[in-house]
Amino acid sequence: AQSVSQHNHHVILSEAASLELGCNYSYGGTVNLFWYVQYPGQHLQLLLKYFSGDPLVKGIKGFEAEFIKSKFSFNLRKPSVQWSDTAEYFCAVLRYNAGNMLTFGGGTRLMVKP
Amino acid sequence: SAVISQKPSRDICQRGTSLTIQCQVDSQVTMMFWYRQQPGQSLTLIATANQGSEATYESGFVIDKFPISRPNLTFSTLTVSNMSPEDSSIYLCSVLPGGLSTDTQYFGPGTRLTVL
Repeated sequence: AQSVSQHNHHVILSEAASLELGCNYSYGGTVNLFWYVQYPGQHLQLLLKYFSGDPLVKGIKGFEAEFIKSKFSFNLRKPSVQWSDTAEYFCAVLRYNAGNMLTFGGGTRLMVKP
Repeated sequence: SAVISQKPSRDICQRGTSLTIQCQVDSQVTMMFWYRQQPGQSLTLIATANQGSEATYESGFVIDKFPISRPNLTFSTLTVSNMSPEDSSIYLCSVLPGGLSTDTQYFGPGTRLTVL
């Protein structure tokens, strides 16, 4: 079945550690890719997105993600995490010609220890 | 961008009753979506609601259980009918302002529903 996979369900890091969260999708064809973040008690909000062009995209709060088409991946990275990055992170894929609907991965819950 | 509000923010309901959730957007938007986020799980699309047409439901969701209204370009409602404890979830309204795949999809704060 076509899907979006996030391999890490829970990640615990210390402050200043580097972060990489994996995201793979199984759709063929053209896709738009997103990372959303949900801080405790807050709305789901957009972290960054890829539509076309440079496959390395930069988002808010020092996050970046790299689209590797050959690997169907869109991994999220941050060189040095902070306690305030504690949140749940969702990868999402929008397929062209599929009603503009987003398909979400299972989410990764990140805890950063101070 | 779009600012989305939902009412109620949370509710506790009895089995067999129905709850209508309202979604209000601060601007006219083309496409609106309703998602469900069950405890500890990711978001699942329930249906797409476009003004002037019937909502389009995803596999596993039916109109009798989740009737949707979209009377204008800034408002939609989702009703959870004949509720059971399995319907306990967060229900989120989402919008795609311009209706283009290159737009960003914005999410409301969610309605946390608990069914006893």
